[in-house]
Amino acid sequence: GENVEQHPSTLSVQEGDSAVIKCTYSDSASNYFPWYKQELGKRPQLIIDIRSNVGEKKDQRIAVTLNKTAKHFSLHITETQPEDSAVYFCAARRGGGADGLTFGKGTHLIIQP
Amino acid sequence: KAGVTQTPRYLIKTRGQQVTLSCSPISGHRSVSWYQQTPGQGLQFLFEYFSETQRNKGNFPGRFSGRQFSNSRSEMNVSTLELGDSALYLCASSLEPANTEAFFGQGTRLTVV
Repeated sequence: GENVEQHPSTLSVQEGDSAVIKCTYSDSASNYFPWYKQELGKRPQLIIDIRSNVGEKKDQRIAVTLNKTAKHFSLHITETQPEDSAVYFCAARRGGGADGLTFGKGTHLIIQP
Repeated sequence: KAGVTQTPRYLIKTRGQQVTLSCSPISGHRSVSWYQQTPGQGLQFLFEYFSETQRNKGNFPGRFSGRQFSNSRSEMNVSTLELGDSALYLCASSLEPANTEAFFGQGTRLTVV
């Protein structure tokens, strides 16, 4: 089955700086890649997603890039703010919805004031 | 539009008992997936239902089961509870299974003692 590796497990950045979280996946049949943000005690919240026919997608301060050849995708957050502090999960899903989402282990993003 | 609703929010059960958790998806969404979240294993896919049929299942023992009703509401059941079943159980709803956004409920925190 699919395996998703996520790095780093913890990332501390100064407020206003950029943060990058990277994920790799193993199954070349995966074609849907969402990112979730989970604040302490709350539900995972979908913040952005990308499909395999697209190389990059942006939404305000958040962007995701996908390299299908290398089987990796990344989340970029620019001009970080204190409210960006949370755990971020990447995930992958095979085409046709044959399986559920396979998640990475998560990255704890800490924004230092 | 109301979000995904899970009940109950918290449960404490004794080893050997069984438990039933409920999930009401977003209105109009017909696909419901269940995930187990633990500190050690992260988010793991349990199963997915669409049109009252289980489409796929993750790597969990047969003690974990579920069903979906004609109104798309879903329940999951865990029989013969073990201490290791203590976790946050999350359900996610989607319009349809394949490659569409999945939105999570707040989860049910199950503690087995």
